[in-house]
Amino acid sequence: DAGVTQSPTHLIKTRGQQVTLRCSPISGHKSVSWYQQVLGQGPQFIFQYYEKEERGRGNFPDRFSARQFPNYSSELNVNALLLGDSALYLCASSLAGRGLREQYFGPGTRLTVT
Amino acid sequence: SQQGEEDPQALSIQEGENATMNCSYKTSINNLQWYRQNSGRGLVHLILIRSNEREKHSGRLRVTLDTSKKSSSLLITASRAADTASYFCATSSGGSNYKLTFGKGTLLTVNP
Repeated sequence: DAGVTQSPTHLIKTRGQQVTLRCSPISGHKSVSWYQQVLGQGPQFIFQYYEKEERGRGNFPDRFSARQFPNYSSELNVNALLLGDSALYLCASSLAGRGLREQYFGPGTRLTVT
Repeated sequence: SQQGEEDPQALSIQEGENATMNCSYKTSINNLQWYRQNSGRGLVHLILIRSNEREKHSGRLRVTLDTSKKSSSLLITASRAADTASYFCATSSGGSNYKLTFGKGTLLTVNP
């Protein structure tokens, strides 16, 4: 079975630009979460979507937005990029929006802002 | 903000030895999970322990949880070079089981 997939693998953008990252969850998983991992730190929660609705948001500015599509795939958008947005962006999927469920992570998209 | 703090930050051992990593957290939790990350790539789920459990085993992994001390430990027995990775603890709390709060991780190096 295919795991969580993310695209692109690597991305280089300039300050002020906008970026869209994509995630496809494991088949049958309806929940997708996004995390940002800065070098040397643990992942930080950005968003969770379940059944196409935002169910949770972390402490990130409004420049960060996301959506989930009817097939449960998801996009993370970041506007007006800053140097500090350089990080590994991880997507995780799970079976349910609540309850004790393992989260399965994708390989991540490494974003470099210059 | 970081909920968990792993200790030590880095650990270097020889193949065959046991590796123990500790995690402390600040607030009451629903559950605690341990993840492994190789070379800054995706996270691999290792084990989940609920707040009402004290110990859990999975293969060469043993996790303990002490809610009175707000701490957990991960023991990897008979380590292998392939265990070289960063290990993170992650907690969920309150009504937010979907939201994981990670520590900064322990970098484990297993020398052949």
